[in-house]
Amino acid sequence: EAAVTQSPRNKVAVTGGKVTLSCNQTNNHNNMYWYRQDTGHGLRLIHYSYGAGSTEKGDIPDGYKASRPSQENFSLILELATPSQTSVYFCASGDACRVNERLFFGHGTKLSVL
Amino acid sequence: GDSVTQKEGLVTLTEGLPVMLNCTYQTIYSNAFLFWYVHYLNESPRLLLKSSTDNKRTEHQGFHATLHKSSSSFHLQKSSAQLSDSALYYCALRAGYQNFYFGKGTSLTVIP
Repeated sequence: EAAVTQSPRNKVAVTGGKVTLSCNQTNNHNNMYWYRQDTGHGLRLIHYSYGAGSTEKGDIPDGYKASRPSQENFSLILELATPSQTSVYFCASGDACRVNERLFFGHGTKLSVL
Repeated sequence: GDSVTQKEGLVTLTEGLPVMLNCTYQTIYSNAFLFWYVHYLNESPRLLLKSSTDNKRTEHQGFHATLHKSSSSFHLQKSSAQLSDSALYYCALRAGYQNFYFGKGTSLTVIP
């Protein structure tokens, strides 16, 4: 079974602090994604990547940066965390070549910014 | 742009009654694929089922859905709800080789 692992699972940060969320996949998928999940908004795309060295802005990129140093790893960076970024963050990977291929999700990171 | 609409945010059902969660979509692409993902508490969201060809029913784990391109719909159904079906359900669209577009999700609660 394909695997996507996120760390940490829970994080408490202070306003103005820097937060890095990490994601590792063993699926050898080119595409990786970062979503945030909020009640009433569903899953919203923050950043995505087509492969090592590539990052693209999703639908809500403001306040976030992303880094894809390798095929396996994709990080989400909050340089100056704000309380509005309190949320659950999901990383996912997917096969770039097949349009009907599903996404594989990690277990999520619950971030609280105080 | 592409979008997915899930009408119901919260659905509460009594065990044994039928389930129907609505999903409609909008896209300019002809090769659209629709997906239902299920997210149980404290687990990862995972694929429940995905669309096949137009007007063909797909089934998995007692759930089924039929892609109707004429009405841009992919509603999720089950004949008899179980307590274990309580979860958050997302409808998602992928068209062309665009990104996935998710609906806002429907939280299903099944009560005894």
